[in-house]
Amino acid sequence: GAVVSQHPSWVICKSGTSVKIECRSLDFQATTMFWYRQFPKQSLMLMATSNEGSKATYEQGVEKDKFLINHASLTLSTLTVTSAHPEDSSFYICSARGGGRQAVDGVQYFGPGTRLTVT
Amino acid sequence: EDQVTQSPEALRLQEGESSSLNCSYTVSGLRGLFWYRQDPGKGPEFLFTLYSAGEEKEKERLKATLTKKESFLHITAPKPEDSATYLCAVRPLEAGNNRKLIWGLGTSLAVNP
Repeated sequence: GAVVSQHPSWVICKSGTSVKIECRSLDFQATTMFWYRQFPKQSLMLMATSNEGSKATYEQGVEKDKFLINHASLTLSTLTVTSAHPEDSSFYICSARGGGRQAVDGVQYFGPGTRLTVT
Repeated sequence: EDQVTQSPEALRLQEGESSSLNCSYTVSGLRGLFWYRQDPGKGPEFLFTLYSAGEEKEKERLKATLTKKESFLHITAPKPEDSATYLCAVRPLEAGNNRKLIWGLGTSLAVNP
């Protein structure tokens, strides 16, 4: 149980274009989803938290107009990197947490990640 | 300031050589401590949650323990497939379920056959 998928697993795009990453909870309803960014040899950096049907809460220093997050259903959240630049190249990972007991426990279940390369 | 420190940064073991990874934390109050395993190029995989000092949890060759200041992840008779980065995260005791986790930098474990 508690499986989270991400699509695509890797993407290469040209500078100035936008790219969308999907995150789906496959066997549970994710009331809260999180988007992280991870650089080589570094830990996870939280970008934003989103609750289903609400606007995402962005961490300090994360541009909300550049990283658009939509959590339109209890099983799907999307991250759109707008006008991507080479410095946006990174490993993006989503996680999901259900309501009820999962919310109390605080366990986040992670997707496999998306490697974004901007040329 | 809330902080999580993991040690060692890297650990190399021979197959069958047991050892422990450390996660020290400084938070005003602990709501939960989490251990994850991350393989290269993959998302973290949930291992354990610990909530109070004295609590222990086991899964196969792994055992996690918790005190008021730190957690240990004990690996008994490791195998090469246990090679991965082990991440520790703490959920501070604050109001609201959206309070973010505080992550350590991880311990990179390599088990040689």
